[in-house]
Amino acid sequence: SAVISQKPSRDICQRGTSLTIQCQVDSQVTMMFWYRQQPGQSLTLIATANQGSEATYESGFVIDKFPISRPNLTFSTLTVSNMSPEDSSIYLCSVESSYNEQFFGPGTRLTVL
Amino acid sequence: GQQVMQIPQYQHVQEGEDFTTYCNSSTTLSNIQWYKQRPGGHPVFLIQLVKSGEVKKQKRLTFQFGEAKKNSSLHITATQTTDVGTYFCAFGSGGYQKVTFGTGTKLQVIP
Repeated sequence: SAVISQKPSRDICQRGTSLTIQCQVDSQVTMMFWYRQQPGQSLTLIATANQGSEATYESGFVIDKFPISRPNLTFSTLTVSNMSPEDSSIYLCSVESSYNEQFFGPGTRLTVL
Repeated sequence: GQQVMQIPQYQHVQEGEDFTTYCNSSTTLSNIQWYKQRPGGHPVFLIQLVKSGEVKKQKRLTFQFGEAKKNSSLHITATQTTDVGTYFCAFGSGGYQKVTFGTGTKLQVIP
């Protein structure tokens, strides 16, 4: 299993600003995934981050809004840019085990005013 | 893209009663996974099924994968208050096993 930490755990931000969320894994992994969970909803994959290449974004998500960095095999960041209240969500990073199960970080709870 | 729907959306049960959530896909799935998310927590992997008609048990939890690999169910026998949470089915796809989550079933257990 993997141990994942995220920073910050929560934040309250003003509209129009940006927030960068950090995800740290205790072991080297090829892929890291970023999900969004809007209040009371399921999880939606934002993008997949592969070290050394551009992130792959899912339909409805664009790099200008959610830029991702993956500088090494244990770390990734997701930035939520030019925020609006609709961006209020929990943002989760995850990694995949060798058996395809996903391990999730504790999440970052974002509120945009 | 592929989606999976879960029913019911919400379920309240008396402690000790059984609970079942169903997961349905319009297309054949290569695998099905189940996750549990406690209130305020993050999803935690429970199990993965890959074979047609597969049945797996974990204590009071029974997981099934349909013969056509288009549906799955999670059954909890004699619920306890510790079973409270939202149960998601999910499936992996793509070369790197991108995981897509179902709509979820929120379970409340009344003591």
